[in-house]
Amino acid sequence: NAGVTQTPKFRVLKTGQSMTLLCAQDMNHEYMYWYRQDPGMGLRLIHYSVGEGTTAKGEVPDGYNVSRLKKQNFLLGLESAAPSQTSVYFCASTRGGGRVYNEQFFGPGTRLTVL
Amino acid sequence: GENVEQHPSTLSVQEGDSAVIKCTYSDSASNYFPWYKQELGKRPQLIIDIRSNVGEKKDQRIAVTLNKTAKHFSLHITETQPEDSAVYFCAASSGGSNYKLTFGKGTLLTVNP
Repeated sequence: NAGVTQTPKFRVLKTGQSMTLLCAQDMNHEYMYWYRQDPGMGLRLIHYSVGEGTTAKGEVPDGYNVSRLKKQNFLLGLESAAPSQTSVYFCASTRGGGRVYNEQFFGPGTRLTVL
Repeated sequence: GENVEQHPSTLSVQEGDSAVIKCTYSDSASNYFPWYKQELGKRPQLIIDIRSNVGEKKDQRIAVTLNKTAKHFSLHITETQPEDSAVYFCAASSGGSNYKLTFGKGTLLTVNP
């Protein structure tokens, strides 16, 4: 199993450009997440999904949109990139369901620079 | 919402010494507390977790303790080795949910040979 994969690994954008980050998991997980990681700020939740066709806002959703059309994929979109969105983006997934919390598995990250 | 405070932000120890990282949380409904290790340039990976019905959990050289009354939990690493050098994140389930975590800001642990 590949686990959680992310595409691309690196990207440089100019202010105002748009792009989509792709996250894929092959573990049949229900829940998926997008985080951003900035120095000294830990991992902050952008958006998440608790099942195919569902999405919800996290802690820092402004400037991002997401879609979960297929259970195994979770897309993060930046419609008009800003320098403040320069960050490392991590996707994660977890089995979900039931009342017990399960481990989140992280992807390798995407390093995005907005000039 | 949940708020997780983590201390210290940096920690330097000599090889063989113990390291302790502490976290506090705000929401008494939180019931799951994982710890993640992130090596430089790598993804976070779970190293140990504890649920609210347990006060302590050990796995070889690492242990986690939980004090629900005081709303704090700690990571203990004994006999530290250079390969323990990494950023460590604590987290708490948000508002007792089974699908969201709130992370602390991280502790950079350096183990000096």
